[in-house]
Amino acid sequence: DGGITQSPKYLFRKEGQNVTLSCEQNLNHDAMYWYRQDPGQGLRLIYYSQIVNDFQKGDIAEGYSVSREKKESFPLTVTSAQKNPTAFYLCASSIGGGHQPQHFGDGTRLSIL
Amino acid sequence: KNEVEQSPQNLTAQEGEFITINCSYSVGISALHWLQQHPGGGIVSLFMLSSGKKKHGRLIATINIQEKHSSLHITASHPRDSAVYICAVNSNSGYALNFGKGTSLLVTP
Repeated sequence: DGGITQSPKYLFRKEGQNVTLSCEQNLNHDAMYWYRQDPGQGLRLIYYSQIVNDFQKGDIAEGYSVSREKKESFPLTVTSAQKNPTAFYLCASSIGGGHQPQHFGDGTRLSIL
Repeated sequence: KNEVEQSPQNLTAQEGEFITINCSYSVGISALHWLQQHPGGGIVSLFMLSSGKKKHGRLIATINIQEKHSSLHITASHPRDSAVYICAVNSNSGYALNFGKGTSLLVTP
């Protein structure tokens, strides 16, 4: 079945460590997105990529980095510069940008030890 | 101020009730999305619409472009409808989605 796979489901990070969240899709979608969800807030865009080897900052990119070396993969690294990384992270993809439905993964919950 | 506002924030209904969730937005949009998020966190896209009305099973979504308003209706609600319902818009000037904060729905037997 086609879909988006995020791993791991739960992730714990020590202070000062970088961690990488995986997102893989087999939908042959060009566009991929990373969102952050905090309690009581709407999803906020961290980064998005419209095509391989290209990505753009979203509203809250500070402290995060991404790469898009393959169409199906869009990993997100939470760096030690992100001072409040505890959140639920969702990856999504769509055929293109603009008004296209987005398909979401099941999310990764990141906590600080 | 968030560009997308949802109401109510929380909603409790008894099984069988007709439910309405509202979404207002303040920017020009190319499309509006209704999404469903279950307790485990995964999100499913329910509707994408840019005008009129769409129906899928017991779910109905409407949009009024002039009033910048959309509603999601659930007929004959069931406990399995319990979830967070999220409204999101594609603004005319942006590439990605702008999200509302969600409406948490609990349907009791």
